[in-house]
Amino acid sequence: DIVMTQSPLSLPVIPGEPASISCRSSQSLLHTNGYNYLDWYLQKPGQSPQLLIYLGSNRAPGVPNKFSGSGSGTDFTLKISRVETEDVGIYYCMQALQTPTFGQGTKLEIK
Amino acid sequence: QEHLQESGPGLVKPSGTLSLTCAVYGDSFNYNHWWSWVRQSPGKGLEWLGEVHHDGNTNYSPSLKTRLTISIDKSKREFSLNLISATAADTAIYYCASLQTRSGNFFDYWGQGALVTVSS
Repeated sequence: DIVMTQSPLSLPVIPGEPASISCRSSQSLLHTNGYNYLDWYLQKPGQSPQLLIYLGSNRAPGVPNKFSGSGSGTDFTLKISRVETEDVGIYYCMQALQTPTFGQGTKLEIK
Repeated sequence: QEHLQESGPGLVKPSGTLSLTCAVYGDSFNYNHWWSWVRQSPGKGLEWLGEVHHDGNTNYSPSLKTRLTISIDKSKREFSLNLISATAADTAIYYCASLQTRSGNFFDYWGQGALVTVSS
């Protein structure tokens, strides 16, 4: 299995400030087609996870452009340009190159 | 708009079988998806359990493959999970989800989740 490691695990943020979450994989997620098979999900309190980013950097339909994904190979980052209260929840990275595995999750809270 | 809905018993006795069904509503019940189960133990993260394709092929988590069976009923637009020899460690919220494979691999739709408690 590919192991996914996120940091930090807890992320207190002042509204209006940026936030960044790191995700590392134990193997490269770069497919032979040139795409990185790395997705980001947000699980808001009491809800199912929802897709934010797929193939490393593509925003899912309806996801605001304050969310951006970057990285390649084994190192990836999710950035939120200006955090709002509605962004509170747990953020997960997931590799989809092999059978899916998730990171431990990063809990974003408002400071 | 796609919609997935889990159903099944919320309480299972230890050593019993945990069974859930996921009904799929919408147009996505096709060859571009793997129909998957993901669970979340209390206070824990997400764990992928396994998946079934429209053609019946399956993949399972290595840690569960001896106890887990996932099947599909295309006529009913449903897929199901059966986990035998359940223990308290299997207590979790179980989500069904669709893994889209046409443009990358990602979970595009999730059910609302079904809480299953394994207890006598």
